[in-house]
Amino acid sequence: DQQVKQNSPSLSVQEGRISILNCDYTNSMFDYFLWYKKYPAEGPTFLISISSIKDKNEDGRFTVFLNKSAKHLSLHIVPSQPGDSAVYFCAAEGSGGSNYKLTFGKGTLLTVNP
Amino acid sequence: DSGVTQTPKHLITATGQRVTLRCSPRSGDLSVYWYQQSLDQGLQFLIQYYNGEERAKGNILERFSAQQFPDLHSELNLSSLELGDSALYFCASSELLTGELFFGEGSRLTVL
Repeated sequence: DQQVKQNSPSLSVQEGRISILNCDYTNSMFDYFLWYKKYPAEGPTFLISISSIKDKNEDGRFTVFLNKSAKHLSLHIVPSQPGDSAVYFCAAEGSGGSNYKLTFGKGTLLTVNP
Repeated sequence: DSGVTQTPKHLITATGQRVTLRCSPRSGDLSVYWYQQSLDQGLQFLIQYYNGEERAKGNILERFSAQQFPDLHSELNLSSLELGDSALYFCASSELLTGELFFGEGSRLTVL
């Protein structure tokens, strides 16, 4: 049962344009959402997060939007740069003490073409 | 550099064998997590330790076990290896039980 879904395995965007990566989740207990970026031969690195009490969080070129009613979040990158080419993982966690775990989607490979 | 160190980086072994993957968390981090990334799969949560105690368990096979030592480093033991165990195994750490995770570069296991 996949609780965090990234339905687009890949996305190709032109440099300077907007990249929109989507993520859906099924578990209503999730209350904190994160995006990680992963380059080849490296571990994932944290990019941006959002709490369920917010619907938007912005950090420079990166903005994450959360639609709780639709159980959907998206990551917007604008303007996109070739260095943004990487795999992006959406992740979610819920409060729960001993049941805590961060659940990841399968990732979306973003390619930004010069 | 995330500050999380994993060894070995690459490991090739045969079916039926046993291997141990090692992780040193970031200085000061008490939580250690193990994730498995197989081909076409996302990061699958295996297990979490906090200050030496197991805190959460995910899809970890009975053939796999882990522990966190008093110095907070962790080991993931994989036994009776099968071809399907070939994957990237990531260790991550965090200061507390929640929040941002810092990942190591991963250990790539190939079972032949």
